[in-house]
Amino acid sequence: DSGVTQTPKHLITATGQRVTLRCSPRSGDLSVYWYQQSLDQGLQFLIQYYNGEERAKGNILERFSAQQFPDLHSELNLSSLELGDSALYFCASSEGGGVAKNIQYFGAGTRLSVL
Amino acid sequence: SQQGEEDPQALSIQEGENATMNCSYKTSINNLQWYRQNSGRGLVHLILIRSNEREKHSGRLRVTLDTSKKSSSLLITASRAADTASYFCATAAFRNQGGKLIFGQGTELSVKP
Repeated sequence: DSGVTQTPKHLITATGQRVTLRCSPRSGDLSVYWYQQSLDQGLQFLIQYYNGEERAKGNILERFSAQQFPDLHSELNLSSLELGDSALYFCASSEGGGVAKNIQYFGAGTRLSVL
Repeated sequence: SQQGEEDPQALSIQEGENATMNCSYKTSINNLQWYRQNSGRGLVHLILIRSNEREKHSGRLRVTLDTSKKSSSLLITASRAADTASYFCATAAFRNQGGKLIFGQGTELSVKP
């Protein structure tokens, strides 16, 4: 058990809908990362929050947004969903916000299916 | 697009044999990490090697790093059926924004009993 909790485990929804994925980081970790894993794109970095503030941004679509709350849990919001958004979404956490102490601990993922 | 390329994409060996996976990357790095993923599950950190290190060991794992060739290799010795998984290298760029990691596409290792 990595100590990172993601909910829900599975999500099935329709095109055009909006969903929220939730992540609780490991105790003591200040950074939360979101990744998307699909067969064609592989594992893609989306965004990082450190202690409540956005720290780094990857190839995150404008339809997607995230935030980290004062208790350090994070949510990833996906809106106007398209078939191509179907993927595994992982949350990871690390102690630090930069390259030092950036060993990441991954949650079990949320499998999103857009029908 | 992803930074890393891994080779081979798939590897099938017998229990007890050694498995070697290679990773190449494009930009200057601060560190390179290897992760393991069992089918459809979360990734597990295996080992981290910094840009000023050339070799690192952890149990049955040996990682090498050649920054002049921008490449790394992961050797798993005396493999077991339980080592069956996908293995990913991930790089933290030298001029990194935050702690983000760029992952390779992975090597799928199958260890047959």
